[in-house]
Amino acid sequence: AQSVTQLGSHVSVSEGALVLLRCNYSSSVPPYLFWYVQYPNQGLQLLLKYTTGATLVKGINGFEAEFKKSETSFHLTKPSAHMSDAAEYFCAVSAGGTSYGKLTFGQGTILTVHP
Amino acid sequence: EAGVAQSPRYKIIEKRQSVAFWCNPISGHATLYWYQQILGQGPKLLIQFQNNGVVDDSQLPKDRFSAERLKGVDSTLKIQPAKLEDSAVYLCASSLVDNQPQHFGDGTRLSIL
Repeated sequence: AQSVTQLGSHVSVSEGALVLLRCNYSSSVPPYLFWYVQYPNQGLQLLLKYTTGATLVKGINGFEAEFKKSETSFHLTKPSAHMSDAAEYFCAVSAGGTSYGKLTFGQGTILTVHP
Repeated sequence: EAGVAQSPRYKIIEKRQSVAFWCNPISGHATLYWYQQILGQGPKLLIQFQNNGVVDDSQLPKDRFSAERLKGVDSTLKIQPAKLEDSAVYLCASSLVDNQPQHFGDGTRLSIL
């Protein structure tokens, strides 16, 4: 079984500051890990994913995340926040292998960006 | 390409009534998912279809929820009778095959009075 814990339900940063959203996972098998973003009244959009290989993955809109097996973490970062980054972010895990299905999501982190 | 289409966008009903949601996945996508997203929580998978067959419905409350995907394209999710705790956003997602990322629709927001 898989589970995801997102540390901090709300994160607030100033425009231009570093964004760091924390995600820890639990999985009994090598996981696939994902970050999704959700804007108000919209569905989820995939930011980036880790399956195998390079542990630092880059996604859209300047975001990246690093898979750290020893820490069971997959934190999301962006060097410089933009007002348009304000949204809710979800970390998710799947069982891996050939399956992206049956995603287990974290509780979400709302990112606020101040001018 | 057109995205995942869902309707209606909003629905308000009274408890014990029935309601249905419709999803049209991206053309050619064999795998379809329904999720329930309660306010303040992440989405929870209700059911996964592969073409017109059910792959996983372990978290679907089968005493009141049902879903079908006739002809392996469009899908409907039904709740009968609705309870107050069913108030949530119902998201549909699709993927080309099981081992490809999921694309989400904008969801249906259900309010139970």
